[in-house]
Amino acid sequence: QSVLTQPPSVSGAPGQRVTISCTGSSSNIGAGYHVHWYQQLPGTAPKLLIYGNSNRPSGVPDRFSGSKSGTSASLAITGLQAEDEADYYCQSYDTSLSVVVFGGGTKLTVL
Amino acid sequence: QVQLVQSGAEVKKPGASVKVSCKASGYTFTSSDISWVRQAPGQGLEWMGWISTYNGNTNYAQKVQGRVTMTTDTSTSTAYMELRSLRSDDTAVYYCAKGSGSSPHGFDPWGQGTLVTVSS
Repeated sequence: QSVLTQPPSVSGAPGQRVTISCTGSSSNIGAGYHVHWYQQLPGTAPKLLIYGNSNRPSGVPDRFSGSKSGTSASLAITGLQAEDEADYYCQSYDTSLSVVVFGGGTKLTVL
Repeated sequence: QVQLVQSGAEVKKPGASVKVSCKASGYTFTSSDISWVRQAPGQGLEWMGWISTYNGNTNYAQKVQGRVTMTTDTSTSTAYMELRSLRSDDTAVYYCAKGSGSSPHGFDPWGQGTLVTVSS
């Protein structure tokens, strides 16, 4: 069981908007640690999608956005495309465990 | 461009050790920590630890503490992760990534991954 909780799966039709939640606690997200999001396409290494809660690295489309509030964070994807079908992971740091923590991952299916 | 290139796949017997390398290029190696993350087949990401490329300090996950050693060779800009007393549940793809877990910048980029298979 992951320290950060994500829904196992989400789905949406092309062009739609989906959100993926990441729920933590007062010792990680709620303690002010940054949340990062990664996209993992099938058979490939994870790729940084959002860093520092809401920042997009160069080259990441603005269809992807991140937010954080309290002990939770969210990744929003607008204008869904077939190429967005992948696994998405959130990541933060837990101060009471002194470890990096990942969410269990969310599989996005584009219908 | 910033790049991490890892060593090739390994097959090991239970009880053996494996050492995976991660060669960095495109940036000053000692300016950023290197972390190691593994992913068992069909499973999520599991952080193993990180090493400061500046002074060699390490921080290991409790699950692998005592069996893992992370090192660096600054002369070749290469990081290494050695895992000992391998068990079948160590079968996974092992990734190195630039960054430490608590930084505001996340892990970026990642190496291509090294599949380690533990089987008798």
